[in-house]
Amino acid sequence: GNSVTQMEGPVTLSEEAFLTINCTYTATGYPSLFWYVQYPGEGLQLLLKATKADDKGSNKGFEATYRKETTSFHLEKGSVQVSDSAVYFCALSDRGNNNAGNMLTFGGGTRLMVKP
Amino acid sequence: DAGITQSPRHKVTETGTPVTLRCHQTENHRYMYWYRQDPGHGLRLIHYSYGVKDTDKGEVSDGYSVSRSKTEDFLLTLESATSSQTSVYFCAISEPGLAGETQYFGPGTRLLVL
Repeated sequence: GNSVTQMEGPVTLSEEAFLTINCTYTATGYPSLFWYVQYPGEGLQLLLKATKADDKGSNKGFEATYRKETTSFHLEKGSVQVSDSAVYFCALSDRGNNNAGNMLTFGGGTRLMVKP
Repeated sequence: DAGITQSPRHKVTETGTPVTLRCHQTENHRYMYWYRQDPGHGLRLIHYSYGVKDTDKGEVSDGYSVSRSKTEDFLLTLESATSSQTSVYFCAISEPGLAGETQYFGPGTRLLVL
């Protein structure tokens, strides 16, 4: 079956530090990959996505590249801000079950805390 | 933001009582999903719907049932709540082909079963 593994947190950084959150996946087909972000007390918001190998998703200074050879989709940001403090979820979309639309499999989430 | 609301937003109930959570969308998306979020597990799919009266089980469906009598509403019922069902519940919607493969999430319902 499909699975997503991401680094455990919490990750604590100082403002303007470089961020990497690792994500690796196992899938039977050719999934699309996503990063979602959850701010305190809120639902999940799509941060970025990539639909095929070597695609780079980017948004709000965050980037992630779909690496099929290493089955990875690591999230990076060059300079984090206090406002980036949140929980980040890596996910993949399985197109195998047509009735389910695009079934998402999530990683366990990584909490990021950015200190001023 | 996608038009998704969940009600109630918070609920405290006792073991053995029935509980129904509601998800309402104004986007006319075909697919709707119920997830639960627990520490260390990310989000896990409970049930999903691919159309009115068309539903199926997800990864953690035991103890839950769903109904969808119209496009905009997707109900999740705990027939007899247990403490293990204490969690945060999220509804999501998607419309493949229109919005790509993206799922849009509601604000969540925090449920405490005593």
